[in-house]
Amino acid sequence: DGGITQSPKYLFRKEGQNVTLSCEQNLNHDAMYWYRQDPGQGLRLIYYSQIVNDFQKGDIAEGYSVSREKKESFPLTVTSAQKNPTAFYLCASKVRAGTPRGYTFGSGTRLTVV
Amino acid sequence: RKEVEQDPGPFNVPEGATVAFNCTYSNSASQSFFWYRQDCRKEPKLLMSVYSSGNEDGRFTAQLNRASQYISLLIRDSKLSDSATYLCVVTPGSNFGNEKLTFGTGTRLTIIP
Repeated sequence: DGGITQSPKYLFRKEGQNVTLSCEQNLNHDAMYWYRQDPGQGLRLIYYSQIVNDFQKGDIAEGYSVSREKKESFPLTVTSAQKNPTAFYLCASKVRAGTPRGYTFGSGTRLTVV
Repeated sequence: RKEVEQDPGPFNVPEGATVAFNCTYSNSASQSFFWYRQDCRKEPKLLMSVYSSGNEDGRFTAQLNRASQYISLLIRDSKLSDSATYLCVVTPGSNFGNEKLTFGTGTRLTIIP
């Protein structure tokens, strides 16, 4: 079955470390997105990619980096520059950019800084 | 003012009752509207799109009021399985091709047996 796989489900990071969250999709979707969710707040867009080898900053990109070398993969690196990284991270994809419909979300990665 | 505002709840409603909640949005140019459902510690899933004329999907009815800039969700004959957080989602219509989703903080609903 096609879908989006995020790994790991839970991740613990020490302060000052970089960590990379994996997002893989086998839906043949062009567009991929990273969101962050904090308690009491809506999902906020970190980065998005409309096509392979291209990505753009979202609303809260500071302290994060991404790459899109393959269509099916859009990893997110949380760097030590991100001041409050503890959050629930959600990856999403859809067939193509330019439409608000057809989002598929992964099951998320819960990152905790210890 | 937040772009999308929702009453966080919680709404505690007896099984079988009807419940409704609203969401307001600040950008009058917003073009597309959705309700997503999110179960505890899970990813959001699309419940339904919201169309200008209002639309129904089984026990769920969504309405859009552009003049007052709000959307609503009505759940009839509520079931225990309806317990979840309901996220109001709006696309601003001005950024990168109308595809940016702006999420409300969600309204938490608990159906009581």
